Amino acid sequence: AQTVTQSQPEMSVQEAETVTLSCTYDTSESDYYLFWYKQPPSRQMILVIRQEAYKQQNATENRFSVNFQKAAKSFSLKISDSQLGDAAMYFCAYSGFQKLVFGTGTRLLVSP
Amino acid sequence: DGGITQSPKYLFRKEGQNVTLSCEQNLNHDAMYWYRQDPGQGLRLIYYSQIVNDFQKGDIAEGYSVSREKKESFPLTVTSAQKNPTAFYLCASSSDRGSYNEQFFGPGTRLTVL
Repeated sequence: AQTVTQSQPEMSVQEAETVTLSCTYDTSESDYYLFWYKQPPSRQMILVIRQEAYKQQNATENRFSVNFQKAAKSFSLKISDSQLGDAAMYFCAYSGFQKLVFGTGTRLLVSP
Repeated sequence: DGGITQSPKYLFRKEGQNVTLSCEQNLNHDAMYWYRQDPGQGLRLIYYSQIVNDFQKGDIAEGYSVSREKKESFPLTVTSAQKNPTAFYLCASSSDRGSYNEQFFGPGTRLTVL
């Protein structure tokens, strides 16, 4: 079975700085997708970024980018120019057949 | 606007009672999902449905039941057999039933057992 591990329960960053959230996963599949979801205090889950495993190029969405290392099964999220609104829980998710497998999340704190 | 709605936002239940959580989507998605979220844990899959009139158990289905009579609706019943039902429940849907499984989430229901 696929598993997703987020080893950082909590991370802190100052406004305008850069922070990287870690995620590793385990799978025997070669074709899959990976996602980062954000859950702010409202608890609404919001898709931040997606990565297709067969693409070597790392995905980027404005201030958010990933470092996808397929051989190492690593999928980290980099947030540049952090803003107060980035404060939230961040979940890494692996897209297996018919369902998503989520990590336990990383709480990101942003200070002025 | 297309999206997923869940109701109610907050739900209180007495021990021994069954309660039903509503989830409706107008995204024309085939697949729908129910998750449970507890503090300090990620999302755990309760049930999912890939098509109308069919559904499968997830990782923590005991004490829960679902139905999928309409494409738009996937209600979750928390039965009295669920020993610790106090949690936050999220419903999601997806247009793809294969390996690309980007899911869209509703706003959630907070269930508290009194």
